[in-house]
Amino acid sequence: NAGVMQNPRHLVRRRGQEARLRCSPMKGHSHVYWYRQLPEEGLKFMVYLQKENIIDESGMPKERFSAEFPKEGPSILRIQQVVRGDSAAYFCASSPPSGSGDTQYFGPGTRLTVL
Amino acid sequence: QKEVEQDPGPLSVPEGAIVSLNCTYSNSAFQYFMWYRQYSRKGPELLMYTYSSGNKEDGRFTAQVDKSSKYISLFIRDSQPSDSATYLCAMSARLTGGGNKLTFGTGTQLKVEL
Repeated sequence: NAGVMQNPRHLVRRRGQEARLRCSPMKGHSHVYWYRQLPEEGLKFMVYLQKENIIDESGMPKERFSAEFPKEGPSILRIQQVVRGDSAAYFCASSPPSGSGDTQYFGPGTRLTVL
Repeated sequence: QKEVEQDPGPLSVPEGAIVSLNCTYSNSAFQYFMWYRQYSRKGPELLMYTYSSGNKEDGRFTAQVDKSSKYISLFIRDSQPSDSATYLCAMSARLTGGGNKLTFGTGTQLKVEL
């Protein structure tokens, strides 16, 4: 049973470009979470999605950031017009449907570097 | 004040030592308590998951929760060099629309020396 998959593992962008980060949850998991880990800081919640629905985006910056989890395919975290402060590790986590446990399993992360 | 406080370390112990890692929290809404291990440049790996006050043991690891004091601990017995990693405490609160938001400590860096 494959774990949570994220790609790319490393992404380099210049200021002003767009970054697209992808996450495929564990088989059987329908809940996806995105977290950001800035240098010297803990992981911070960004957004929680189920298939075709954003459930809670209270941790997302108000501008330039968006997320989706389409009916088919991976979840996407999109950052438009990246700035140096967006450089961080972005982790995706998945969990099974409600009532099957609340544990979240993390992927290996995407390390974004903005030049 | 942060919702979750964790001593960042670094903590260095000899092989075979008992390690004690701790977190305090301020939010009474936290319902579930977890410990994750994170190796350098890897994703967090779930170690322990508890939801009630008391102790939970799994092999060399024991998780302890004291909700009255808002304090959680992770004990590692017979520590090994392979335990060298950053240990993150995490606490879960229900989101309004369902699901759970994890709030993490900043992590304690542990090094187990031969």
